[in-house]
Amino acid sequence: EAGVAQSPRYKIIEKRQSVAFWCNPISGHATLYWYQQILGQGPKLLIQFQNNGVVDDSQLPKDRFSAERLKGVDSTLKIQPAKLEDSAVYLCASSLTIPREGEKLFFGSGTQLSVL
Amino acid sequence: AQSVTQLGSHVSVSEGALVLLRCNYSSSVPPYLFWYVQYPNQGLQLLLKYTTGATLVKGINGFEAEFKKSETSFHLTKPSAHMSDAAEYFCAVRGLGNEKLTFGTGTRLTIIP
Repeated sequence: EAGVAQSPRYKIIEKRQSVAFWCNPISGHATLYWYQQILGQGPKLLIQFQNNGVVDDSQLPKDRFSAERLKGVDSTLKIQPAKLEDSAVYLCASSLTIPREGEKLFFGSGTQLSVL
Repeated sequence: AQSVTQLGSHVSVSEGALVLLRCNYSSSVPPYLFWYVQYPNQGLQLLLKYTTGATLVKGINGFEAEFKKSETSFHLTKPSAHMSDAAEYFCAVRGLGNEKLTFGTGTRLTIIP
């Protein structure tokens, strides 16, 4: 079974530039998540999709971050313009159904963003 | 809202020694608790989880954790550490319903040969 695919693996940009990350979840997984993992901290949920609808984006900085999941499959997360504090690893995860009880999340390897 | 606290951002143990990684949770409702492991340059993967039933949960790679409601703890243990256990370990909690998974700050485990 293919895992969650993310690209690029690394990205270095200057502040105020824009950047986009791509995620392809495991085939058939209805729920897709984007997490931000800042060095020394645990992953923080940015946005959660159920098929192509947004379930939770309460912690997404909407003035600069946007995400979409067209056709309920792959997803793109964009930052425009980037700030220094956006330097982090951006993790994509997916799960088979809506999260409940012990629902398991499958994570991609992440995109490491450095904003200079 | 649910939260977890992981005591010790770095833990070092000798190969063959007991591994103990600490996690305490805060939840107003019965929680669902998880341990995830992150190997270098890889995504997180589920080690084990507690939902209901038996409070001692066994996971992959010889790890286990015990849910102790009276202590609000869910510590991760392994009787004998192996070099391949070197990784970062995250405790996480989810409350009832469609609530997001909240992670702790992680514990980096180093194995000394």
